[in-house]
Amino acid sequence: SQKIEQNSEALNIQEGKTATLTCNYTNYSPAYLQWYRQDPGRGPVFLLLIRENEKEKRKERLKVTFDTTLKQSLFHITASQPADSATYLCALDLGGANNLFFGTGTRLTVIP
Amino acid sequence: EADIYQTPRYLVIGTGKKITLECSQTMGHDKMYWYQQDPGMELHLIHYSYGVNSTEKGDLSSESTVSRIRTEHFPLTLESARPSHTSQYLCASSDGRNEQFFGPGTRLTVL
Repeated sequence: SQKIEQNSEALNIQEGKTATLTCNYTNYSPAYLQWYRQDPGRGPVFLLLIRENEKEKRKERLKVTFDTTLKQSLFHITASQPADSATYLCALDLGGANNLFFGTGTRLTVIP
Repeated sequence: EADIYQTPRYLVIGTGKKITLECSQTMGHDKMYWYQQDPGMELHLIHYSYGVNSTEKGDLSSESTVSRIRTEHFPLTLESARPSHTSQYLCASSDGRNEQFFGPGTRLTVL
């Protein structure tokens, strides 16, 4: 069956450290992989998109890697801040219809 | 900030009532989506539309229906609400270049 797994439901890290979140998938062949941030009671907000032929993408303190052989994406937040505390969702886009398949998310807490 | 709106934000209603959840976007996007999300769970696509008069069911079966008479408007209707429909409903839109813009969601509770 098709599955998208994100590491541990919750991740706590100290302010200033790098947070690393993982997204593993099986039985999908995504053309793109997207990362979203979701705050409590709000809709997800798009952060980054990486294509299947890209290994790495950066945006300010965010970095995403995509390994289609391992079927895994890593999402890094460097120099983390308490304001980065939120749930982070990975989503697979198979291309074409642009319909997204979401993981359950990882709740990140950055401790001051 | 994305210009996509959902009303109501919260709705508590009795079993058997008909409800319509509203979703509007001012970005002129052709593609619109409805997702259902239970607490701590992933978003599941229940309906999508590629444009006016186009509607399709998503990968999660739902008893709700949708319509797309205008580009900016994509309402979701439940003819007879049941407690099993209690959930958060999220609307999103896209211009087809992959990124989806989400509304704030409607939290529905059916008693």
